[in-house]
Amino acid sequence: GAVVSQHPSRVICKSGTSVKIECRSLDFQATTMFWYRQFPKQSLMLMATSNEGSKATYEQGVEKDKFLINHASLTLSTLTVTSAHPEDSSFYICSARVLAAEQYFGPGTRLTVT
Amino acid sequence: AQSVAQPEDQVNVAEGNPLTVKCTYSVSGNPYLFWYVQYPNRGLQFLLKYITGDNLVKGSYGFEAEFNKSQTSFHLKKPSALVSDSALYFCAVRPNTGGFKTIFGAGTRLFVKA
Repeated sequence: GAVVSQHPSRVICKSGTSVKIECRSLDFQATTMFWYRQFPKQSLMLMATSNEGSKATYEQGVEKDKFLINHASLTLSTLTVTSAHPEDSSFYICSARVLAAEQYFGPGTRLTVT
Repeated sequence: AQSVAQPEDQVNVAEGNPLTVKCTYSVSGNPYLFWYVQYPNRGLQFLLKYITGDNLVKGSYGFEAEFNKSQTSFHLKKPSALVSDSALYFCAVRPNTGGFKTIFGAGTRLFVKA
C-alpha cells in the first residue's frame, strides 16, 4: 500500500520557538494532504487541507498564521507551528489522498512544548 | 449535523472470543465508511472500507465489518480476538458529495485479555 512518512516522530521545543513537521508520500504523488491534531484519548481533528501549489484550506477555529502549511511538491507538505506554546503540545498526524476514496496516514509527530 | 458515533469508550473481550466494536453514523446519502486502528504513538492504519456492494466487508488482520443501511451502522467484528488486537479503533465516514472531508468517531479502546 501507499506509504506516508512524517519527520520528526518526536520533537521537544521551548515556548516561543517554531517547529516544522514534514509529511512525505514515499511511493506516490499526493495532490492533497491533510493535517490532523489529536489530543490524548480523543479523536482526530482536521486542521487543514493542503493542495499542491495552492494555499491550504483551514478548518474553522484553526489559526492559519500559527499553523503554517506549505505543499510545495506532490510528495511533500510541511506544517510549521510558529511561536509554539505549551497548549500546542499534541500529536500531529498527516494523511495523503491517493485516489477518490483512499486516504493514507503518516505515523504522527508528538510535539511537546516546554 | 453530520456525525459518527462510537457508543462504547472501551470494549473488553477475552482472547479467542468474538469481538464487536460498534459504529453508527448520521450522514446523508451513501457515504464511504472506514475503520482504522491506532497503536500507541502511531498514526492510523487502514483496516477496511465500504463503498458499495456486499454488506459484509473483509479487511486486514481478520477483521470484517457489517454495513446496515436501515440502521446506519457499520460495526467492526472479528470471530476470534487476539491480545495483539488491543488498540484504539476509529470509525470514519466520508460523505459522497464530491468533497473529501472525513468525519471520525471518538474512538473505542479494545482490550483483549489473555
